[in-house]
Amino acid sequence: DAGVIQSPRHEVTEMGQEVTLRCKPISGHNSLFWYRQTMMRGLELLIYFNNNVPIDDSGMPEDRFSAKMPNASFSTLKIQPSEPRDSAVYFCASSRGQGNEKLFFGSGTQLSVL
Amino acid sequence: LAKTTQPISMDSYEGQEVNITCSHNNIATNDYITWYQQFPSQGPRFIIQGYKTKVTNEVASLFIPADRKSSTLSLPRVSLSDTAVYYCLVGDKGGSQGNLIFGKGTKLSVKP
Repeated sequence: DAGVIQSPRHEVTEMGQEVTLRCKPISGHNSLFWYRQTMMRGLELLIYFNNNVPIDDSGMPEDRFSAKMPNASFSTLKIQPSEPRDSAVYFCASSRGQGNEKLFFGSGTQLSVL
Repeated sequence: LAKTTQPISMDSYEGQEVNITCSHNNIATNDYITWYQQFPSQGPRFIIQGYKTKVTNEVASLFIPADRKSSTLSLPRVSLSDTAVYYCLVGDKGGSQGNLIFGKGTKLSVKP
């Protein structure tokens, strides 16, 4: 199994631009999670899906952030417009269930907003 | 919501056994305890999970006392490659993901 695949690995953009992060979960996993990691706040859950349906988006910082999961093998996290404070590492993870089930993380996307 | 407390950092030397303790005083009956390891520039990786007593796998052991208010991750004979951040999480399976908090973890530094 290739594991959770995220793209791009690095993204550098200018303030105000739209950013789209992509994730392919492990086949057969029915839950997908987007996390953000910064030095100040650690690893934070932004949103998670179960069977392609958003379950909890309370961690999404504001309306500039949106996430979709059109099918079981693909998800996107979009930031529009981006701001310098959005600079962080964004991780996608998947699991067979919800809650304290084993999470499999991707390698992350390092986002820098200038 | 089971909050966890673990040391910010720990130092060790190669070949030593390392024990990282996590406190979770308000753990609920259905909660499991899970540990993850994170290397720089990588996502966290599952190490071990347990509910009570002792769990052992090829990487680590997890010791959970009877009251389950704490747990200890034990890494036998660490090497330089074990330098990483270790996270303790507490939550029930099938519950809300929002209740599963990674926190800042414990930064383990292994020296030669």
